[in-house]
Amino acid sequence: DTAVSQTPKYLVTQMGNDKSIKCEQNLGHDTMYWYKQDSKKFLKIMFSYNNKELIINETVPNRFSPKSPDKAHLNLHINSLELGDSAVYFCASSQDPGEETQYFGPGTRLLVL
Amino acid sequence: AQSVSQHNHHVILSEAASLELGCNYSYGGTVNLFWYVQYPGQHLQLLLKYFSGDPLVKGIKGFEAEFIKSKFSFNLRKPSVQWSDTAEYFCAVTALTGANNLFFGTGTRLTVIP
Repeated sequence: DTAVSQTPKYLVTQMGNDKSIKCEQNLGHDTMYWYKQDSKKFLKIMFSYNNKELIINETVPNRFSPKSPDKAHLNLHINSLELGDSAVYFCASSQDPGEETQYFGPGTRLLVL
Repeated sequence: AQSVSQHNHHVILSEAASLELGCNYSYGGTVNLFWYVQYPGQHLQLLLKYFSGDPLVKGIKGFEAEFIKSKFSFNLRKPSVQWSDTAEYFCAVTALTGANNLFFGTGTRLTVIP
C-alpha cells in the first residue's frame, strides 16, 4: 500500500546509454513531479505533470523526457546518459500543483560510469 | 525568483539538547512553507507545514516551527532531540502565484550523539 513508488531503486549504467525510471502513485493525486538530488543533497525540481499536461519544465537538458501514460504514472526517460546525471531522482505527487503537500517516493539512485 | 536559505549546513548535538534550524526565504508574496526530513537511506517525509493561521505550527515527533513574516523566516525547533532525529532536514517554500514550484533549501544535516 505504498503511496508513491519508484523503480528501480538503484540503477548503474554506462555513459551514452538510455534508461527509464518509473513512478506510480496510488493517492489519486492530480499532479506528479520529478526532482533531482545532487551529491550535496540539493533538491531541484525537474518536471511536473498535471492531468497529463506538462506545467513546469525547468532548465533541464532535453535528454530528459517525462512520460505520463495516465494520471497515476509519471516515468522519466533519459537519453545519452552523462556522468553528471549521477544523482538520486525523486518522484512526488500532490493533489494540486504547489499548494498542497507533496508526497515523495523512495528515490532512485542513478550512477553513470 | 524565489530562494530558500538554510544557514546551518551541519549541526551536531548531544541527546536532550535543544534544536533550532534556521530557514529564510526570499519572496514578497504569500507563501506556503514546509519542513521535510530525510532519514539516512530513506525518502523525504513531511514534518510540518504552514499554509495560514497560527504562525506557530506543530508537526510530528515533537517538532514545531514558527513563521515570522517580517523576517521571512520559518525556523524549525525541538526542545529535546533524540538519537533517532539524526537526519537531513529541508526547508521548502512554494508561492501561491505563478508556476507554484516547490523550492528547497540546501538542507541541514543533524547528527545527534547518544
